[in-house]
Amino acid sequence: NAGVMQNPRHLVRRRGQEARLRCSPMKGHSHVYWYRQLPEEGLKFMVYLQKENIIDESGMPKERFSAEFPKEGPSILRIQQVVRGDSAAYFCASSPWGDGSYEQYFGPGTRLTVT
Amino acid sequence: GDSVTQMEGPVTLSEEACLTINCTYTATGYPSLFWYVQYPGEGLQLLLKATKADDKGSNKGFEATYRKETTSFHLEKGSVQVSDSAVYFCALPSGGSNYKLTFGKGTLLTVNP
Repeated sequence: NAGVMQNPRHLVRRRGQEARLRCSPMKGHSHVYWYRQLPEEGLKFMVYLQKENIIDESGMPKERFSAEFPKEGPSILRIQQVVRGDSAAYFCASSPWGDGSYEQYFGPGTRLTVT
Repeated sequence: GDSVTQMEGPVTLSEEACLTINCTYTATGYPSLFWYVQYPGEGLQLLLKATKADDKGSNKGFEATYRKETTSFHLEKGSVQVSDSAVYFCALPSGGSNYKLTFGKGTLLTVNP
């Protein structure tokens, strides 16, 4: 069973461009979580999605960031008009259920660098 | 709010040395506590967990005991191997949820032969 897949693994964007990060959950998992790790900090929760629904986006910056998990295809974290402060590692995790009784399985992360 | 403070790294040990990585937490109530490990080039993996006070989680020779009185969950291993070289994260669910994990900054462990 393939693990959580994230691509690209490394992404370089200039200020003002858009960044799209993709996450394919483990087979059979319908719950996806995005976390961000800024330099010198721990991972911070951003958003929790089920298929076609955003359940909790309390950790998402109010502007420029959006996330989706369509019925078909991967979950997408989209950052518009990137700024240098968006440079970070973005991790996706998935679980079969969202009640916390199951472990979250993490992908290898996407390292975004904004120049 | 809920938070985790873990020992700053990096930590460098020789093979068969003893390991302790300290982790203390601040939380409302008594949440489950986790240690995750990230091997080079891979995603975070759950290493062990404890769901209530005095519980001991263990896996792959690693242990951690949920200490309510000291609000700690230190990770220990009696004899490390080169293959244990990784980044270790202490974590707990926070914000009143059981899915919104809060992590420490991570501790890089390097084990030399």
